[in-house]
Amino acid sequence: DTEVTQTPKHLVMGMTNKKSLKCEQHMGHRAMYWYKQKAKKPPELMFVYSYEKLSINESVPSRFSPECPNSSLLNLHLHALQPEDSALYLCASSQDGNYGYTFGSGTRLTVV
Amino acid sequence: RKEVEQDPGPFNVPEGATVAFNCTYSNSASQSFFWYRQDCRKEPKLLMSVYSSGNEDGRFTAQLNRASQYISLLIRDSKLSDSATYLCVGNYGQNFVFGPGTRLSVLP
Repeated sequence: DTEVTQTPKHLVMGMTNKKSLKCEQHMGHRAMYWYKQKAKKPPELMFVYSYEKLSINESVPSRFSPECPNSSLLNLHLHALQPEDSALYLCASSQDGNYGYTFGSGTRLTVV
Repeated sequence: RKEVEQDPGPFNVPEGATVAFNCTYSNSASQSFFWYRQDCRKEPKLLMSVYSSGNEDGRFTAQLNRASQYISLLIRDSKLSDSATYLCVGNYGQNFVFGPGTRLSVLP
């Protein structure tokens, strides 16, 4: 299995809703990542988990809360989002920095 | 100054043309580099890793020049299906830093 699976593919949520994005990989990769990508912009790093521990938080607002239940799963809990948070949210994993990332297909989030 | 910078593009080229992209990086601590391809509304996909010795994969050739801190990607005999955004990526420990991307349109 050489894939990173993200669910859901599309999500529309209100500003008072709580939702979660899910990401799963079975490649034995040690690091997992959340990226946010706005239209016509490159992906921007949000969080990095290494060996199931949060190692990088790029000053992301607390309305985004990551969770890594085990080495194969990564969640992103969303609460009280703003319309400007609408974007493509990408999960990625890597074995180590020499091999690049494998990205999931992303969740396209719209906040209304 | 951004850590990874790319040609602004867009590049509009006819089928069969050879096109070259350049990318520069500011942090010499970067350990490895990659070229990713991203189609509209899709996730980025790894195109190739970049090594100092250069590497070639079919019509694609990538080169890293550490002394000058730039990375290049050459596409020969371009196809319509090569139309995409090409992202230069540098690895800094656990963090992969993306360049802004260069849009390529191959025209019939």
